Amino acid sequence: QKEVEQDPGPLSVPEGAIVSLNCTYSNSAFQYFMWYRQYSRKGPELLMYTYSSGNKEDGRFTAQVDKSSKYISLFIRDSQPSDSATYLCAMGLNTGGFKTIFGAGTRLFVKA
Amino acid sequence: SAVISQKPSRDICQRGTSLTIQCQVDSQVTMMFWYRQQPGQSLTLIATANQGSEATYESGFVIDKFPISRPNLTFSTLTVSNMSPEDSSIYLCSVSGTTGLYNEQFFGPGTRLTVL
Repeated sequence: QKEVEQDPGPLSVPEGAIVSLNCTYSNSAFQYFMWYRQYSRKGPELLMYTYSSGNKEDGRFTAQVDKSSKYISLFIRDSQPSDSATYLCAMGLNTGGFKTIFGAGTRLFVKA
Repeated sequence: SAVISQKPSRDICQRGTSLTIQCQVDSQVTMMFWYRQQPGQSLTLIATANQGSEATYESGFVIDKFPISRPNLTFSTLTVSNMSPEDSSIYLCSVSGTTGLYNEQFFGPGTRLTVL
């Protein structure tokens, strides 16, 4: 079993839709959770970062963490064609060493 | 966030040759990392580049194949040695420790390597 599971998609939605992207994980020791957006032929760009369970909102983006279920989500409201990209979840821990594990990424297409 | 540049942005190389990838950051950073991203797959950490000492390699990666230098707090290189087609991938430089939230990581644009 992989430490982080993420559906690779592709996920195709119409413009204006609410998008839900999800990851599950197996290591209950993970302390921090991140979402990255990666456009084609570019490096990943950090979107959201959180330590705790619950919701964190930034504009049209909401990151949700449920540590009891080992489940994280990214919601995109009023999706735009410019949101079309691959979204990678990442999670990690810092126990004297530094370990971040990335999901495989979900490809999202927002159709105009 | 830091501005990270990589050179070259892409290259096509012959089997058996070596390629050195450079990573330059516009500010001093504590941690620098090298990742590999193969098509449709997640990011795989190759090694942590330590300033002034040998890099720390992840399981499955060895110094002879992927020698790394980090002469200062803003620059690092990754060499892919004795290349084979299996080394075709995107190689990404990443930094951390730039914003006070120690574990935030930022990525360069990547180097797209094709080995024939």
